[in-house]
Amino acid sequence: AQSVTQLDSQVPVFEEAPVELRCNYSSSVSVYLFWYVQYPNQGLQLLLKYLSGSTLVKGINGFEAEFNKSQTSFHLRKPSVHISDTAEYFCAVSSLANQAGTALIFGKGTTLSVSS
Amino acid sequence: DSGVTQTPKHLITATGQRVTLRCSPRSGDLSVYWYQQSLDQGLQFLIQYYNGEERAKGNILERFSAQQFPDLHSELNLSSLELGDSALYFCASSVEPLTDTQYFGPGTRLTVL
Repeated sequence: AQSVTQLDSQVPVFEEAPVELRCNYSSSVSVYLFWYVQYPNQGLQLLLKYLSGSTLVKGINGFEAEFNKSQTSFHLRKPSVHISDTAEYFCAVSSLANQAGTALIFGKGTTLSVSS
Repeated sequence: DSGVTQTPKHLITATGQRVTLRCSPRSGDLSVYWYQQSLDQGLQFLIQYYNGEERAKGNILERFSAQQFPDLHSELNLSSLELGDSALYFCASSVEPLTDTQYFGPGTRLTVL
């Protein structure tokens, strides 16, 4: 079965510092990878997704992620964070090999806290 | 605003009761997914419908059921509620399964007392 591991449950950073949120997945077949953000008391919003092609994916709000097949990773990065980036971030995978069909399998989430 | 609507926003009920959560997908989206978010289990997939038919099941309890109607809106029915069913329930929709972006609604927060 597919699984997603977000290696850090909490990441505190200062404003304008770079940040990396780490995500590893387990799979023996092709997967599709997603990063979603959840602001307090809101639903999930897609940041970016990797389906195929270039391994560097750019998303909204200045975020990007790199797909690394050999390391089965899909880390999320931003070169300079803002206070408004404070939120919960979820890495997710979908695959035809999932017993759950095309549903997303989510990691436990990483809380990004940006302070001044 | 994702275009996915969920009602009600909050629901407080007692153990043993039955509730219905409603979801209207984005216009044109045929797939509807239900997810449960709780502190201990995280975000878990419950069930998926595509154009009125059940497509996949995840960790959905037998006390829970869902359906998608001809107008594509979906309802999640939770019965014999237990304290542990307290959670945030999200509906998501997409045009095509697998690769298309899933758009999430704002969720329904269920509290079972």
